[in-house]
Amino acid sequence: KAGVTQTPRYLIKTRGQQVTLSCSPISGHRSVSWYQQTPGQGLQFLFEYFSETQRNKGNFPGRFSGRQFSNSRSEMNVSTLELGDSALYLCASSLGFGYQETQYFGPGTRLLVL
Amino acid sequence: AQSVTQLGSHVSVSEGALVLLRCNYSSSVPPYLFWYVQYPNQGLQLLLKYTTGATLVKGINGFEAEFKKSETSFHLTKPSAHMSDAAEYFCAVSDRDAGGTSYGKLTFGQGTILTVHP
Repeated sequence: KAGVTQTPRYLIKTRGQQVTLSCSPISGHRSVSWYQQTPGQGLQFLFEYFSETQRNKGNFPGRFSGRQFSNSRSEMNVSTLELGDSALYLCASSLGFGYQETQYFGPGTRLLVL
Repeated sequence: AQSVTQLGSHVSVSEGALVLLRCNYSSSVPPYLFWYVQYPNQGLQLLLKYTTGATLVKGINGFEAEFKKSETSFHLTKPSAHMSDAAEYFCAVSDRDAGGTSYGKLTFGQGTILTVHP
């Protein structure tokens, strides 16, 4: 079974621009969660989608948004980029029916904001 | 809200020595606990998890962890370190709540970088 894929793997943007990242979950998984990883703040939860609905949201500003499509693929968008948005963005997929489920992570998208 | 504390941001061991990475959690409900490993420029890979049942959990690559409720701990061990174990390790708790609304969220510790010396 193919793993979680994320595109693109690397991005360079300038302040004020917006960016869209994509995540394709493992086949059959309906839940996609997004995380931001930085050296200072570590791994922080952004949001989770299940069957095209946002079920859970972390403590990030409204510039961070996401969506999920009927095939469970998910995108996250960051508008009006700031230098502090430079990070590794990870998505993870799971079946989505229980807290004990394993989340399977993609390789991440590394975003650099200049 | 759940939280996770990993004691020691860096741990260094010699090849063949015991690996011990510490994790303590706080949770208002019985926890589901995970250990993940991250190699440079890669995502996170599950090593093992505790949900219910046996408190000693065996994972991949010879790692194991023991859930100790009385100590609120879930320390990761490996009897004999290998050079390939050098990576960053994260302990995480599934952020469920009594209301059953906090889906899909893992709360992570700050991570421990393991260095293995020849």
